[in-house]
Amino acid sequence: AQTVTQSQPEMSVQEAETVTLSCTYDTSESNYYLFWYKQPPSRQMILVIRQEAYKQQNATENRFSVNFQKAAKSFSLKISDSQLGDTAMYFCAFMKHGLRAYNNNDMRFGAGTRLTVKP
Amino acid sequence: EAGVTQFPSHSVIEKGQTVTLRCDPISGHDNLYWYRRVMGKEIKFLLHFVKESKQDESGMPNNRFLAERTGGTYSTLKVQPAELEDSGVYFCASSYNPLAGGPNEQFFGPGTRLTVL
Repeated sequence: AQTVTQSQPEMSVQEAETVTLSCTYDTSESNYYLFWYKQPPSRQMILVIRQEAYKQQNATENRFSVNFQKAAKSFSLKISDSQLGDTAMYFCAFMKHGLRAYNNNDMRFGAGTRLTVKP
Repeated sequence: EAGVTQFPSHSVIEKGQTVTLRCDPISGHDNLYWYRRVMGKEIKFLLHFVKESKQDESGMPNNRFLAERTGGTYSTLKVQPAELEDSGVYFCASSYNPLAGGPNEQFFGPGTRLTVL
C-alpha cells in the first residue's frame, strides 16, 4: 500500500521569502505520479504542480518548484517569493500509473501542511 | 466552465440520522471520486465511479455508506445511520478519460463539512 507523509503540520514564512514543504512517500511501484495540491481557506483544492516519476527533471510552475528524489522517496515543494495568496493548506499526493484507458487513479494524500504567509 | 460543485457545503446532524451529500462533476468527466478528510488527518479515498459504474469502492468504511451515480452524471453519498466518527469533510473530484497516457488530473469540489453530534 502507498502512504504519504507530511511531517510539518504548520509552517509560516515572511512575504517575499522562500519556504520548502516536505513530503515523503512509500511505494513499491516504479511508475507513478506525485502532486502538490493547495486549498486556500474556504476555497476549492487546486493543483499546484505535478511530477511524473519517470522524469528526472524537477517540475516547475512559476514560483513553485519541486525537489524530487526518487531513491529517497522524497518530494518537497519550494515556494519562492512567497505571496499572501499562498496562504493555504498544502497536500502532497501520490497516484499509481494506470495502464488501462479507465484507470483507477485514486490518490493517496498526506495529512497536509498549513502554510501561513505573513506580511 | 463550471467546476465541481458539492451540496450542501455544511451539514450538522444528530447521531442516527441520515444525510445525503451530492456532487456534480465537470460536464463530460467520466471519472468521479469521493474522498473524506477527518479532522487533522489525511484525505482518504472512498470510491471511484466510471460513468455510472463503481470501479473501486475499497475505501468505503462500512455498509452505512451508499454511493450512487445515476445516469453517469451527478453522484450522491448517503450515510445511514450516521455515527460520530463520520464527521469530516467529504470531497468529490472528477476527471475525464483521455485514451492515451498521462494522469487524469482530478478537479476537486469545495467539500461538504459533515458534523455528527
